[in-house]
Amino acid sequence: EVQLLESGGGLLPPGGSLSLSCAASGFTFSTYTMSWVRQAPGKGLEWVSGISGSGAGTYYADSVKGRLSISRDNSKNTLYLQMTSLRAEDTAVYYCAKSSSNWASFDYWGQGSVVTVSS
Amino acid sequence: EIVLTQSPGTLSLSPGERATLSCRASQSVSSSYLAWYQQKPGQAPRLLIFGASGRATGIPDRFSGSGSGTDFTLTISRLEPEDVAVYYCQQYGGSPLWTFGQGTKVEIK
Repeated sequence: EVQLLESGGGLLPPGGSLSLSCAASGFTFSTYTMSWVRQAPGKGLEWVSGISGSGAGTYYADSVKGRLSISRDNSKNTLYLQMTSLRAEDTAVYYCAKSSSNWASFDYWGQGSVVTVSS
Repeated sequence: EIVLTQSPGTLSLSPGERATLSCRASQSVSSSYLAWYQQKPGQAPRLLIFGASGRATGIPDRFSGSGSGTDFTLTISRLEPEDVAVYYCQQYGGSPLWTFGQGTKVEIK
């Protein structure tokens, strides 16, 4: 059974930094592209960042480029999102999502980790 | 950037009725790269449809997808109370690589 378990969320002030983790199990982690998708309170889904199975390719939405950094450790089956220079508009539930084999859709999702940026 | 526009914003129907949700893309999207998700209140999204018309594992056959080019449709043939949710379409391959529509909320009358 595929499982994705996020951790690391919390409350922090504007300009702060935070790191999210997503522990994966139930599939060959290194084979699949992974992404972070966020959802601001009462809003829709926004893709934030993705990383190829090997980690060689990383992709970002313009809204987070230069402030968020995605990485993975295939030996630990874990995905990361390093967040810096946080803004109020980064407040959201952050979901870890596994891509399908052709990258096109997200076939499994974690339960989400809440990040709140507020003074 | 490929923008996905979903309509209507909210759909209110009685149990057993047919629900038709629309997703229009600002540029042509390959059918292989169009997906639909269901998100119930307080839950993570769940993949319903991949490749415009393929049902994901465990999805009831009352859910179906169709369309091509810039116009895609999600149909719920007979609405059940447990189908109350927000439904999102999503594309892959544009810039940015993945984008979502703004969602359609389905309510029961």
